[in-house]
Amino acid sequence: ETGVTQTPRHLVMGMTNKKSLKCEQHLGHNAMYWYKQSAKKPLELMFVYSLEERVENNSVPSRFSPECPNSSHLFLHLHTLQPEDSALYLCASSQVLERGEQYFGPGTRLTVT
Amino acid sequence: GQSLEQPSEVTAVEGAIVQINCTYQTSGFYGLSWYQQHDGGAPTFLSYNGLDGLEETGRFSSFLSRSDSYGYLLLQELQMKDSASYFCAVRSSTGRRALTFGSGTRLQVQP
Repeated sequence: ETGVTQTPRHLVMGMTNKKSLKCEQHLGHNAMYWYKQSAKKPLELMFVYSLEERVENNSVPSRFSPECPNSSHLFLHLHTLQPEDSALYLCASSQVLERGEQYFGPGTRLTVT
Repeated sequence: GQSLEQPSEVTAVEGAIVQINCTYQTSGFYGLSWYQQHDGGAPTFLSYNGLDGLEETGRFSSFLSRSDSYGYLLLQELQMKDSASYFCAVRSSTGRRALTFGSGTRLQVQP
């Protein structure tokens, strides 16, 4: 595997379910990000990790819980989501936090029913 | 905070040149990036400007004027495959350290 991978690619879940999104980067980068992309809206930054430490939480509801066990892996744990949380969730990485060059994974298309 | 403005849609014909503008407001500027996203795909990095001037990468060029808080992406010799959304993104040197993305410009290339 090369670049940034995300699993699953598609996820349908009910509002009472608990699920997790997984991201893995094979680039040796030190910073990882979660973004939310809804239709007709700009990319919304959710969480930022640098060297496994969360450095930014962009006022995201607590029903989204990130985890970064090491610099190559990033998870987004989901529980009791709302239908408005349906979106494309993108993971990205960069060599260091300050770089303007980020590499994105293919995303997880999430539908909350 | 940061905010960016770019046109929502641009249409051009194959072989033409198109310029996508981006104006930004930020407290402490560090650099301007451009990303391309095809429908159903992930954003891919195109270019980064940290200093004033023009950066050229093949058919794509990006320009920055920090005094005007303005940049643009120039696409030359347009091809059908260039039909996509293009996002500018700014990184601030103060406060928030991650990128803030614009709303994106949807480019439609016609034959």
